[in-house]
Amino acid sequence: DTAVSQTPKYLVTQMGNDKSIKCEQNLGHDTMYWYKQDSKKFLKIMFSYNNKELIINETVPNRFSPKSPDKAHLNLHINSLELGDSAVYFCASSHARASGGGETQYFGPGTRLLVL
Amino acid sequence: GDSVTQMEGPVTLSEEAFLTINCTYTATGYPSLFWYVQYPGEGLQLLLKATKADDKGSNKGFEATYRKETTSFHLEKGSVQVSDSAVYFCALSERGAGGTSYGKLTFGQGTILTVHP
Repeated sequence: DTAVSQTPKYLVTQMGNDKSIKCEQNLGHDTMYWYKQDSKKFLKIMFSYNNKELIINETVPNRFSPKSPDKAHLNLHINSLELGDSAVYFCASSHARASGGGETQYFGPGTRLLVL
Repeated sequence: GDSVTQMEGPVTLSEEAFLTINCTYTATGYPSLFWYVQYPGEGLQLLLKATKADDKGSNKGFEATYRKETTSFHLEKGSVQVSDSAVYFCALSERGAGGTSYGKLTFGQGTILTVHP
C-alpha cells in the first residue's frame, strides 16, 4: 500500500546510455513532480504535471523527457546520460487547488542514479 | 525569484539538547512554509507546515512559527532524540493572488542533524 513508489531504486549505467525511471502514486492526487537531489543534498524541481499536462519545466536539458500516461503515473526518460546526471531523483505528488499553496507533497523513496 | 536560506550545517547535538535550525525566505507573493525531514536512505516526509502569517506548525515535538515581519520559519525542538538524526529542509510554496498554484516547492539547502546519545 505504498503511497508513492519509484522504480528502480538504484540505477548504475554508462555515459551515453538512455534510461527511464517510473513513478506511481495511489493517493488520488492530480499533480506529480520530479525533483533532483545532488550530492550536497540540494533539491530542485525539474518538472510538474497536473492531470497529465506539463505545467512546470525548470530549464532542464531536453535530454530529460517526462511522460504522464495518466494521473497516477509520471515517468522520466533520460537520453545520452552524462556524468553530471548522477544524483537522486525523487518523484512526488499532491493535490492542486485554486488559490493554491499549502498542499502537502508526498515523496517517493528516490532513485539513485550513478553514471559511470 | 523565490529562495530559502537555512543555517549551515552539519549540526551535532547531545540527546535532550535544544534544537534550533534557522530558516529565512524571499518570496514575491503569499507563500506557504514547510519543514520536510529526510531520514537516511529515504525520501522526504512532511514534518510540519504553516500557510499564513503567525501560524504555528507543530509535530513530534517540533515547532515553527510563520513570521512575516522577519520572513522566517525557524524550526525548534526542546529535547532532541537520537532518532531525530536526519536532514531537515525548509521549503516554500508560492501562492499567487487569485490564481492556482501547483505547489512547486523551493527548498533550502538542507541541514544535517546528528544527535549523539
